Amino acid sequence: GQNIDQPTEMTATEGAIVQINCTYQTSGFNGLFWYQQHAGEAPTFLSYNVLDGLEEKGRFSSFLSRSKGYSYLLLKELQMKDSASYLCASMDSNYQLIWGAGTKLIIKP
Amino acid sequence: EPEVTQTPSHQVTQMGQEVILRCVPISNHLYFYWYRQILGQKVEFLVSFYNNEISEKSEIFDDQFSVERPDGSNFTLKIRSTKLEDSAMYFCASRETSGPPDTQYFGPGTRLTVL
Repeated sequence: GQNIDQPTEMTATEGAIVQINCTYQTSGFNGLFWYQQHAGEAPTFLSYNVLDGLEEKGRFSSFLSRSKGYSYLLLKELQMKDSASYLCASMDSNYQLIWGAGTKLIIKP
Repeated sequence: EPEVTQTPSHQVTQMGQEVILRCVPISNHLYFYWYRQILGQKVEFLVSFYNNEISEKSEIFDDQFSVERPDGSNFTLKIRSTKLEDSAMYFCASRETSGPPDTQYFGPGTRLTVL
């Protein structure tokens, strides 16, 4: 079956670093996406990994290990506006996105 | 910057009524999608559309659902006889090419409430 697992909720402090983990099992693999979703809004694209390793984009970095079926999203220098849900999604062999339930990130001052 | 647009932003309907949700994908994109997200739950794939036909659909996309691209710009999702459990946010998305690393861009969503 196809499954994406990520923690339901995490809490972090403004200015700190947080890592959100995701494990995936999909029929085929064409990449791992991270999206940010603020409450009541649409998901917005953050990152894409298809090869093993770390992709850095400003304060956000994403890592992939295909052999382990594992990814993480690293957020540095956290800001209050980073409070949102972070959705992990794997693209399967049909180029369809299989979504995790999302990790709600709460930032405290 | 080009963006996907959706109308209406909110739709309230009575159970059993038909609704049509509208989307205008990004103009040079070729692949279109509908997703739904029940409040507090995960995003769920409904259907993908390419070259004027459905390419993939999920188990959720049963006979009460249909999609159409009536002209060169609009992409619609019709729900023929709404049920209470159809209440959700419905997101349209589009992307330019068939393969990665191309990403899907989401519209702002339509919040459908079935009474």
